[in-house]
Amino acid sequence: EAQVTQNPRYLITVTGKKLTVTCSQNMNHEYMSWYRQDPGLGLRQIYYSMNVEVTDKGDVPEGYKVSRKEKRNFPLILESPSPNQTSLYFCASSLGVGVQETQYFGPGTRLLVL
Amino acid sequence: DQQVKQNSPSLSVQEGRISILNCDYTNSMFDYFLWYKKYPAEGPTFLISISSIKDKNEDGRFTVFLNKSAKHLSLHIVPSQPGDSAVYFCAASDSGGSNYKLTFGKGTLLTVNP
Repeated sequence: EAQVTQNPRYLITVTGKKLTVTCSQNMNHEYMSWYRQDPGLGLRQIYYSMNVEVTDKGDVPEGYKVSRKEKRNFPLILESPSPNQTSLYFCASSLGVGVQETQYFGPGTRLLVL
Repeated sequence: DQQVKQNSPSLSVQEGRISILNCDYTNSMFDYFLWYKKYPAEGPTFLISISSIKDKNEDGRFTVFLNKSAKHLSLHIVPSQPGDSAVYFCAASDSGGSNYKLTFGKGTLLTVNP
């Protein structure tokens, strides 16, 4: 089944404890992206990647890192999480690069930072 | 600064009737618009899109209308079904931009009553 998977789906952590949220797609998609969803703010882009080893900042990159060493994986790294990173995170991917390429979203990771 | 606005947090309609969800945007560079649907505990799924060269796009029960002069788009669902109950996000993109990101509105919760 073609899909975008994220792990973990739920995570509770404490301030400063490094964590990684994995994202994997099995559709051979070139473009991958991370969004966060917060109440009253919709979804905002954190980072994106147009291909292997090509990543760049979105609208809210502070406190996050990403890597794209393989086409299928795009992990989101929080080196020192803080409570303001408590959010619902979505990974997305699309076959090609371009606005008309449909982005497929993962099921989301709900993160609570205490 | 909210560039994509969905001013109605919620909408309730009767099964079989028309649902009209509205969206306004402020960025004149946006030229591609999408609607995503989101069920609880799932990621957003693509519903329908429209390019700024068109003023209407139809896909089955779903039609999106674009009024560029008013910077307004709407999603019509006819007839509405209980399974359409979900959060609907309007999103916009600038095809000339470098990151192909989607700028989302805050979403509208549609409830279709049997």
